[in-house]
Amino acid sequence: DAGITQSPRYKITETGRQVTLMCHQTWSHSYMFWYRQDLGHGLRLIYYSAAADITDKGEVPDGYVVSRSKTENFPLTLESATRSQTSVYFCASRDTLGGAQYFGPGTRLLVL
Amino acid sequence: AQSVTQPDIHITVSEGASLELRCNYSYGATPYLFWYVQSPGQGLQLLLKYFSGDTLVQGIKGFEAEFKRSQSSFNLRKPSVHWSDAAEYFCAVAPGGNKLVFGAGTILRVKS
Repeated sequence: DAGITQSPRYKITETGRQVTLMCHQTWSHSYMFWYRQDLGHGLRLIYYSAAADITDKGEVPDGYVVSRSKTENFPLTLESATRSQTSVYFCASRDTLGGAQYFGPGTRLLVL
Repeated sequence: AQSVTQPDIHITVSEGASLELRCNYSYGATPYLFWYVQSPGQGLQLLLKYFSGDTLVQGIKGFEAEFKRSQSSFNLRKPSVHWSDAAEYFCAVAPGGNKLVFGAGTILRVKS
């Protein structure tokens, strides 16, 4: 009954390490999104995906990689984490009736 | 430039008082419009959405919003605020139906 889940919920890592944030949805929504939320910047779109194997850049894609091999999963990878990537990351999926996105609980990432 | 503006960063209201949170957008056509609420440490929850039709939209938790095309506004209202309504509120638009653009948010404080 989960809807959309994210893991881990909290992560501490070091500069230069690779980190993968997971997102899983049970609604079979076609569209999925990754945002980061930072004080003073609000919510900014990192990447989104219209369907399995179709991804596209958002507003702030640099330093991130995504994949979507299955409709229900949309992992976000920081290939070499930097301190500026310390943030709260939200995954969302889109209601196919148009527009409304449903958000996961977020992952709080700290890069030391 | 296309944008979403929430003019009030903070609003404080007394419990039981009415509430109105402002949202203005600048897009050529009428986009899809949304209000989300975020409690501390939580993800974003959809309160209501407007696609077309009746310009007064009812949402969850007793909230409603009115779309005014002439003013490019989509203000959120509640007739009587409860202490549990204290949270951050985000207005969002989907100009092309896919991606969401968020306002900076309004933090609501409720005085007892």
